[in-house]
Amino acid sequence: SQQGEEDPQALSIQEGENATMNCSYKTSINNLQWYRQNSGRGLVHLILIRSNEREKHSGRLRVTLDTSKKSSSLLITASRAADTASYFCATVNSGNTPLVFGKGTRLSVIA
Amino acid sequence: DTAVSQTPKYLVTQMGNDKSIKCEQNLGHDTMYWYKQDSKKFLKIMFSYNNKELIINETVPNRFSPKSPDKAHLNLHINSLELGDSAVYFCASSNRGNEQFFGPGTRLTVL
Repeated sequence: SQQGEEDPQALSIQEGENATMNCSYKTSINNLQWYRQNSGRGLVHLILIRSNEREKHSGRLRVTLDTSKKSSSLLITASRAADTASYFCATVNSGNTPLVFGKGTRLSVIA
Repeated sequence: DTAVSQTPKYLVTQMGNDKSIKCEQNLGHDTMYWYKQDSKKFLKIMFSYNNKELIINETVPNRFSPKSPDKAHLNLHINSLELGDSAVYFCASSNRGNEQFFGPGTRLTVL
């Protein structure tokens, strides 16, 4: 069953702007992960945030997690054309079962 | 030095045929997965193997049979292919609960 739901489904911004994507989920989790998929390619892991963490940074990426609201956000700062891709959130629940993916946000960064 | 590899990358075949997709990981992970991504980009778990044992088998027709000869390999065999099987199939591996590493995908087209 689908767990994560990304919002918006599609986002188009100018290069240099920040992009924010949101993810909501339904059940308790062990961790939440964000992945990027370029067109025609496999998914690439971006960042993992555990249920006892509230914020995590990796380069231009910032992820927040609010377990009370069962939501997470991914912020990409100073976006580049190369950031154009689909972004998926995925959750691992308390039983450490495999990832359950949302449908993704398609980000287009226009140069 | 490929982490997760899949073969073939493209597979075009007639309805009713039997085909296999191979997956290998050289990361020393204990868990491997097969996902199906449909035309709407929705990524769904099919199978999960931990140390050669099946731990997840989602609602997948029994025409799909995974085989794990060892921890580094998880092959997917599909019998009596149907039009609806056309999709991109991704193999992935991880140590349970942690980030997953994905293969490049196999685009299956059933004619």
